[in-house]
Amino acid sequence: EPEVTQTPSHQVTQMGQEVILRCVPISNHLYFYWYRQILGQKVEFLVSFYNNEISEKSEIFDDQFSVERPDGSNFTLKIRSTKLEDSAMYFCASIRRESSETQYFGPGTRLLVL
Amino acid sequence: AQSVTQPDIHITVSEGASLELRCNYSYGATPYLFWYVQSPGQGLQLLLKYFSGDTLVQGIKGFEAEFKRSQSSFNLRKPSVHWSDAAEYFCAVGVRDRGSTLGRLYFGRGTQLTVWP
Repeated sequence: EPEVTQTPSHQVTQMGQEVILRCVPISNHLYFYWYRQILGQKVEFLVSFYNNEISEKSEIFDDQFSVERPDGSNFTLKIRSTKLEDSAMYFCASIRRESSETQYFGPGTRLLVL
Repeated sequence: AQSVTQPDIHITVSEGASLELRCNYSYGATPYLFWYVQSPGQGLQLLLKYFSGDTLVQGIKGFEAEFKRSQSSFNLRKPSVHWSDAAEYFCAVGVRDRGSTLGRLYFGRGTQLTVWP
């Protein structure tokens, strides 16, 4: 069964550094999402992406964040200058088409900012 | 604003016992409701979903959930728990993006399930 994959599974970085989290959505999926979960807190929506542009973003998704679909398979989340509070698990999700009812999630990337 | 409450942070049950995980939501329109499960090191796996129709929905692994509009609840149940069900369970409300796309999900804090042998 096709799966959403994410790399790396864990990343440790220094505060102020840029990080890029990578996701490979299921191949025929068209809508993509990023969520994050700070330890002990809820899973929170960051951004949705369709047709090479952002569909919706939350208040968390400020100018430090950006998303991109650099090729036909990858979907990336960039954090330009990481802060300690960016430490979290980041999940990528995708859905197949406009009327699809299910978001399929990847296993997540655990980001630790020191 | 949409919100989801899972009042139980941690539940412990014996293997073979029945299980009910509670979920309450706040949403102004007809909700799209989901239960996801997360095992350690794994992603969020969809257990079941409710969009419309029969308010009792069946999911994978023997789980079911009942939508009760009057109580704004979508509780997850399983008649007999197996040790492999130990995981974290998340309830979520979905809203439509512009058009008909399923947009952002609002998650509860999750309920950690421990199963005693």
